[in-house]
Amino acid sequence: GENVEQHPSTLSVQEGDSAVIKCTYSDSASNYFPWYKQELGKRPQLIIDIRSNVGEKKDQRIAVTLNKTAKHFSLHITETQPEDSAVYFCAAREGYQKVTFGTGTKLQVIP
Amino acid sequence: NAGVTQTPKFRILKIGQSMTLQCAQDMNHNYMYWYRQDPGMGLKLIYYSVGAGITDKGEVPNGYNVSRSTTEDFPLRLELAAPSQTSVYFCASSYRTSGGTIAKNIQYFGAGTRLSVL
Repeated sequence: GENVEQHPSTLSVQEGDSAVIKCTYSDSASNYFPWYKQELGKRPQLIIDIRSNVGEKKDQRIAVTLNKTAKHFSLHITETQPEDSAVYFCAAREGYQKVTFGTGTKLQVIP
Repeated sequence: NAGVTQTPKFRILKIGQSMTLQCAQDMNHNYMYWYRQDPGMGLKLIYYSVGAGITDKGEVPNGYNVSRSTTEDFPLRLELAAPSQTSVYFCASSYRTSGGTIAKNIQYFGAGTRLSVL
């Protein structure tokens, strides 16, 4: 089955700096890669996703890049704000139903 | 739309007790999932369903059972609760979008059930 690795497990940045979270996947057949944000005690919520026929996608301060050859994808958050503090999960879709999640990155934005 | 509704929000069980975690969605999604999230960890898939009457095991199915008699409901059953099942349980549902050659699978999560087995 699919295996998704995520790094780093924790990340602290100063407000206004950029944050980058990286994930690798094992199944070359995976073709859909969502990113979820989970605030403390809350449910995970989708923030951005990318399909394998696209190399980069941007939505305001958030961008995701995908390198199919290397089987890795990254989340980039620019101009970080305190409200960006949360746990972020990457995921990769295996088959038509199952989505395999990474282990999460705890992002702390220091005011 | 209420989205994905989970009940109860919290529960404490004694070892060996049984219970059912309820999950309902009103978005007419075909796919539904149960995950568990241990403290500081990611989401592990317990069971999933691609439609009424169809269920399949995920990564960590031992100790759990599910059923999907309707599109809306996907209950998770713990028969003999063990301390290792102390976790937060999330139900999710999704739909597939086309609009191209690659479908998406956008999952919507419930608020979670925090379960402690003592």
